[in-house]
Amino acid sequence: EDKVVQSPLSLVVHEGDTVTLNCSYEVTNFRSLLWYKQEKKAPTFLFMLTSSGIEKKSGRLSSILDKKELFSILNITATQTGDSAVYLCAVYGGATNKLIFGTGTLLAVQP
Amino acid sequence: NAGVTQTPKFRILKIGQSMTLQCAQDMNHNYMYWYRQDPGMGLKLIYYSVGAGITDKGEVPNGYNVSRSTTEDFPLRLELAAPSQTSVYFCASSYDGAGNTIYFGEGSWLTVV
Repeated sequence: EDKVVQSPLSLVVHEGDTVTLNCSYEVTNFRSLLWYKQEKKAPTFLFMLTSSGIEKKSGRLSSILDKKELFSILNITATQTGDSAVYLCAVYGGATNKLIFGTGTLLAVQP
Repeated sequence: NAGVTQTPKFRILKIGQSMTLQCAQDMNHNYMYWYRQDPGMGLKLIYYSVGAGITDKGEVPNGYNVSRSTTEDFPLRLELAAPSQTSVYFCASSYDGAGNTIYFGEGSWLTVV
């Protein structure tokens, strides 16, 4: 069965800290891995990763994929309270060629 | 810039009642999806459609039905609502079925009591 597992489930940090969120997967017919940020409403797209070892970066956020070890990490440096959200990892692929979501990591950034 | 529009945003249903969640997109996307998200969980695919007249089951289709008579609309029907269907429902659409081009609606909060 295709699955995507995220860790930790939740995380509390202080402003300025650096956090690393993990996503591992077992998905047949892997095509891409995606990260989303969800703040009480619909998920918003952050990154799509298809190749191992190539870092995607956007401001203080960055992400990398390891297709050999079947995982990805999302790094957030110098965290701000506005980074508080649920971060979802999803893998596009599987038997039905669709997005398979992990349970998410709830990040709370305290002032 | 309407994008993906879902209605209603909030609804309380009694056990056994039926209702339809409406979803419309104005981007001429072929692919449309319905997801549900339970508290503390990721999104699970209920049904999807790759074009008008074509629908297929996702991971958790039981208790739901869909139709896709037009490219724009993809309603989700709940028959005989059960407490287990209390969830947040997201409709989404995409041009080519790839994850980075998926657009989500704002969500519909449904409570079954």
